[in-house]
Amino acid sequence: DIQMTQSPSTLSASVGDTVTISCRASQSISRWLAWYQQKPGEAPKVLIYDAFTLKTGVPSRFSGSGSGTEFTLTISSLQPDDFATYYCQQYNSHSYTFGQGSKLEIK
Amino acid sequence: QVQLLQSGAEVKQPGASVKVSCKASGYTFTDYYIHWVRQASGQGLEWMGWINPSSGGTDYAPKFQGRVTLTRDTSISTAFMDLSSLTSDDSARYYCASGPIDRFDSWGQGTLVTVSS
Repeated sequence: DIQMTQSPSTLSASVGDTVTISCRASQSISRWLAWYQQKPGEAPKVLIYDAFTLKTGVPSRFSGSGSGTEFTLTISSLQPDDFATYYCQQYNSHSYTFGQGSKLEIK
Repeated sequence: QVQLLQSGAEVKQPGASVKVSCKASGYTFTDYYIHWVRQASGQGLEWMGWINPSSGGTDYAPKFQGRVTLTRDTSISTAFMDLSSLTSDDSARYYCASGPIDRFDSWGQGTLVTVSS
């Protein structure tokens, strides 16, 4: 199984800040990576897929980059609505795994 | 808009089976895969399998192979997840999600399954 490791597990930031969350795959997954946002009591919501393609309707302050084994989610100009938990998810040859999650808290 | 409406919460005894439904609306049911993902309380996300509503073909995570069965009824745009031989470790919220094969675009509200004697 491909393992996905996110860092940091928790981060604190203020409204207006720019934050970066990293996701590392245990082997190359090309660009088969998606990012999700989950708020307490809600289902996850896809933000980015294919490593850097923004899902329709998602604000442009969210961006993704990377390929192979190293990926990054960047959120610029943080808004109050952005404080949530973020997961990366890989797809490779009938295998799907998520990172353990990165919780973004208000400083 | 795409909506996935799941069946209500379940309480099951160890060793029993549970069947969760997921009714799709707002799109052509056979156009996208239905994936099943679960999340234990306070924990991360775990993919269980998918069904191709068009062909009925399925793929299961090795961990659940032999214990999970995914089916669908295209006449009512509904997918089903059947999980057998339940243990306390299966207590979780179970989500259906539609999308292409590689990701989960739209999610149901989740169904809480509690396994307890």
